[in-house]
Amino acid sequence: GQQVMQIPQYQHVQEGEDFTTYCNSSTTLSNIQWYKQRPGGHPVFLIQLVKSGEVKKQKRLTFQFGEAKKNSSLHITATQTTDVGTYFCAVNTGGFKTIFGAGTRLFVKA
Amino acid sequence: GAGVSQSPRYKVAKRGQDVALRCDPISGHVSLFWYQQALGQGPEFLTYFQNEAQLDKSGLPSDRFFAERPEGSVSTLKIQRTQQEDSAVYLCASSARQGSWETQYFGPGTRLLVL
Repeated sequence: GQQVMQIPQYQHVQEGEDFTTYCNSSTTLSNIQWYKQRPGGHPVFLIQLVKSGEVKKQKRLTFQFGEAKKNSSLHITATQTTDVGTYFCAVNTGGFKTIFGAGTRLFVKA
Repeated sequence: GAGVSQSPRYKVAKRGQDVALRCDPISGHVSLFWYQQALGQGPEFLTYFQNEAQLDKSGLPSDRFFAERPEGSVSTLKIQRTQQEDSAVYLCASSARQGSWETQYFGPGTRLLVL
């Protein structure tokens, strides 16, 4: 069935450094969503990408959808301690099922 | 309501007990999802409701798991004869329209521990 691979599993950065997480699929995706889950919290929707090659920005966060619509990335510029958490990509299977990646857990050292 | 609420927030059950987990979605939301999240993993899809209709239950791990949404609002996930491998956080999410393409708003989850 549909699977998404997310890398890396963990990332430790010094505050102010950049961070990127990648999501890859073996099949072409119709869209992709990104969620953030703070420690002890629940997933919170960040963004949805639909178009091939799409790039969207939210302040220090930049989201990209690959030209082939098989991969996506989330890049954070100049991380802050408030960025700590796990970032998940999520894809739609064409029906009602949403498949989440395993997530990338970001640790930020002040 | 202001957001998705779930109850109880924590549940400890002895192996073999039945449990019922409740989800109150955002008022008026058509779609409701249940997920199971093991420690250090992403949410895993369990089932989907569009109003009161359960349109996808392909993620329910066994026939011990049962979900309902009889009036198209509140939903209950029931687990019969709980086993230790059922220990996880159970998340409920709702979205305004049908399908899984829409933004999903998650509740705080119910943390289930089966001893």
